[in-house]
Amino acid sequence: RKEVEQDPGPFNVPEGATVAFNCTYSNSASQSFFWYRQDCRKEPKLLMSVYSSGNEDGRFTAQLNRASQYISLLIRDSRLSDSATYLCVVKGDFNKFYFGSGTKLNVKP
Amino acid sequence: DVKVTQSSRYLVKRTGEKVFLECVQDMDHENMFWYRQDPGLGLRLIYFSYDVKMKEKGDIPEGYSVSREKKERFSLILESASTNQTSMYLCASSLTQGRGYTFGSGTRLTVV
Repeated sequence: RKEVEQDPGPFNVPEGATVAFNCTYSNSASQSFFWYRQDCRKEPKLLMSVYSSGNEDGRFTAQLNRASQYISLLIRDSRLSDSATYLCVVKGDFNKFYFGSGTKLNVKP
Repeated sequence: DVKVTQSSRYLVKRTGEKVFLECVQDMDHENMFWYRQDPGLGLRLIYFSYDVKMKEKGDIPEGYSVSREKKERFSLILESASTNQTSMYLCASSLTQGRGYTFGSGTRLTVV
C-alpha cells in the first residue's frame, strides 16, 4: 500500500470555479502534512503546510482529518495560473517526506 | 531563500557509464535527499542523509550510491547507468526541525 494516495485527475475547471483535492495517508502516526505545487518540467515548491485546525492562505484552504487520515486542499476563484500538479506530502520518520503522485489541475478560460 | 543547486539541468549518458549528479545547498541544512520522478509513479526516495558521512537507503536504492563528504554537498552516483534509470532526478534539503523541503531544479537524465 502506498504511503500517500491521490486522485491523479486531471481536474478540468473553468476560471472562477472552486475545486477541491483530497489525499489519504496510511501512517496514523504522521505529524506533519503539506501541499506542494509542481509546474510542468519544474521542481515541486511548497504551497502550504496543513495544520490540525485547518488553515487558509488567500484563496487556498487546507484541512486535516486525522480520524479518516486524509488531507484536503480547496482552491476558490480558480485562475489560469493555478494550473499545475498538486502534490500531497506527509512527513515520516527521519525527516523523510512521502509524496503522493499528484493531482493535475487544468483551469480553462 | 535557501538555494539548492543541481549541477546539470540535462544529461545524456551511455549505458554502462558511471554518472555523478551533484547537489549543493547553501543554508546549512542537516538533511539532504535524492528522489527520482517518473510519470505515474510520483517522487520516489533513492537515498537520504541526515549528517555528514551518514547515508540511509530510501525506497529504491538499487543501482545507486551516494556520498556526503561535506554538509552542503550530496552526490548521487549511478555506478553503471542503465536505460531504466532515465528519469528526472530531484535533490532536496531540509532542517531537522524545519517544515518542508526545498528542491533543486532537477536533472533530467537520459541513458541511451
